[in-house]
Amino acid sequence: QSVLTQPPSVSAAPGQKVTISCSGSTSDIGNNYVAWYQQLPGTAPKLLIYETNHRPSGIPDRFSGSKSGTSATLAITGLQTGDEANYYCGTGDSSLGAYVAFGGGTTLTVL
Amino acid sequence: QVQLQESGPGLVKPSQTLSLTCTVSGDSMSSGGYYWSWIRQHPGKGLEWIGYIDYSGSTYYNPSLKSRLTISVDTSKKQFSLKVSSVTAADTAVYFCARRMWSGEFDYWGQGTPVTVSS
Repeated sequence: QSVLTQPPSVSAAPGQKVTISCSGSTSDIGNNYVAWYQQLPGTAPKLLIYETNHRPSGIPDRFSGSKSGTSATLAITGLQTGDEANYYCGTGDSSLGAYVAFGGGTTLTVL
Repeated sequence: QVQLQESGPGLVKPSQTLSLTCTVSGDSMSSGGYYWSWIRQHPGKGLEWIGYIDYSGSTYYNPSLKSRLTISVDTSKKQFSLKVSSVTAADTAVYFCARRMWSGEFDYWGQGTPVTVSS
């Protein structure tokens, strides 16, 4: 069972906006940076967002991250069929030292 | 460009030790601020952090796996390794190595290597 809670699935039409939530606690999301990863089938996860709201070089600005309290959100605008993937949030857990927590993952379907 | 590549047996017998190596290119591995990490993904499931090591050899393990884990680093070979002892079918997974930044994100990942525990 994952420490961070994500919805199992979300869907939206091409061109639309979708948000994926990641719920945690004060010891993890509440006091740590959040990262988001995209995993296409059969491939390794790819970093989308780091330090809660920063994009690595090469990640389009259609992807954005935010945090409020103990919850974080990944927003994807201008959905494309190529965005169909599993998305994971991740953070540290201050109460457990160096522990790393991941969400259970959310499958995005572009209808 | 940093690249990581896992290597090791794809099949391990129950009760034996799973051993994997990650070879790093594009990074010396000798500077601080990075943590060389192992993460696994059970079939059809999410990501599970296993542990990581820094360039000095300090290790950090998932408490649920700690008693069976050993992570080591050889910066001269630009490699770090994972050993999981007393494996069971529950250790069947794709194992990824990755670089973790000081701020917590895993910025570079290996392609992953599947490991099956079966007799």
